[in-house]
Amino acid sequence: RKEVEQDPGPFNVPEGATVAFNCTYSNSASQSFFWYRQDCRKEPKLLMSVYSSGNEDGRFTAQLNRASQYISLLIRDSKLSDSATYLCVVKGNTPLVFGKGTRLSVIA
Amino acid sequence: GAVVSQHPSWVICKSGTSVKIECRSLDFQATTMFWYRQFPKQSLMLMATSNEGSKATYEQGVEKDKFLINHASLTLSTLTVTSAHPEDSSFYICSAITWREGGTYNEQFFGPGTRLTVL
Repeated sequence: RKEVEQDPGPFNVPEGATVAFNCTYSNSASQSFFWYRQDCRKEPKLLMSVYSSGNEDGRFTAQLNRASQYISLLIRDSKLSDSATYLCVVKGNTPLVFGKGTRLSVIA
Repeated sequence: GAVVSQHPSWVICKSGTSVKIECRSLDFQATTMFWYRQFPKQSLMLMATSNEGSKATYEQGVEKDKFLINHASLTLSTLTVTSAHPEDSSFYICSAITWREGGTYNEQFFGPGTRLTVL
């Protein structure tokens, strides 16, 4: 079983849509959780950390369920500029472990 | 956030040549740097962990004699792909951190990546 699993997509959604990404992780000792965004041929950039209590940053909401080892990202009111690959990332005592990413295309 | 640079940003070389990639932390001292590799439509895979002044620790399946890592200073780590072959063509990304007390660290800062194409 892979350490971090994501639906690869692609998710093709119209502008203004709400889209949700899911992720599961296998290492129950994982301590920190993140969503990164990666544009084509670019390095990944931190989008937001994920906390058990859930956290929101503008149109983005992240949730963590430690019992189910499940992480989610919700994007509301999608913009064309949200088109990218979203990486679910987990950290224990080691460097970041990345999922394959879920590709999002927001269409006008 | 902190800035990490990589050079070159892209390189095309012939099979059998060696390629050196530099990773620099520009505004902080990076005690540890990580080297990742990403193939198309795949996740970033950790290749090795590089600590300043000591030998790198390689992940399982990564040949240390093929991917030479040197972390000679707190702001520079280099990855040399020796005798590169077409299957080494990939996107190589470095990442840098500074440890905090208690054995934790803040965000990993990523370089912009180096795209290697071996003909």
